Amino acid sequence: GIQVEQSPPDLILQEGANSTLRCNFSDSVNNLQWFHQNPWGQLINLFYIPSGTKQNGRLSATTVATERYSLLYISSSQTTDSGVYFCAVNRDDKIIFGKGTRLHILP
Amino acid sequence: DSGVTQTPKHLITATGQRVTLRCSPRSGDLSVYWYQQSLDQGLQFLIHYYNGEERAKGNILERFSAQQFPDLHSELNLSSLELGDSALYFCASSVGSQTGNQPQHFGDGTRLSIL
Repeated sequence: GIQVEQSPPDLILQEGANSTLRCNFSDSVNNLQWFHQNPWGQLINLFYIPSGTKQNGRLSATTVATERYSLLYISSSQTTDSGVYFCAVNRDDKIIFGKGTRLHILP
Repeated sequence: DSGVTQTPKHLITATGQRVTLRCSPRSGDLSVYWYQQSLDQGLQFLIHYYNGEERAKGNILERFSAQQFPDLHSELNLSSLELGDSALYFCASSVGSQTGNQPQHFGDGTRLSIL
């Protein structure tokens, strides 16, 4: 089946820093989503981005479907950005998640 | 607030038992998805319903079943529970019918602990 790999697995940054999270997938997909799971366990859909670039405030995402990767950019990090970031791809009516990137933003 | 309601928030039960988890989707959403998040397996897609019909199955065990009712709420039934079924179970909803092809909105989850 399709493999979804996220990197880095862990990231520790000072407040105000920028970061780039990567999601690689092993085969063509119908779509891709980015999610944030906050320290309280809540999952929030950040972007639905099968291709192209989208921006929402300090967050932006780019998916290059032909090269099978997506990037999530977080600028001017805040402590509330801490948590785990997951990407998930859809292929053959199945949704497959990566293992996530755990982000710690230090005050 | 995502608009997706899951009950109960916590459930503690014993091996061999059966439980039912409930999900009410956002108003206007016709799709409901169920996911399992465990320490060893990570986040896994279980099943997708659209307007009462099953649309896609993921890694759902035969001991598990789900349905979506005419009022669009959904229930996930877990039977013959094992220790490994301890996990956080999420429900999500979206507007359309294509599996995973639209932004999904998640409930807060039901934490199931098997003793």
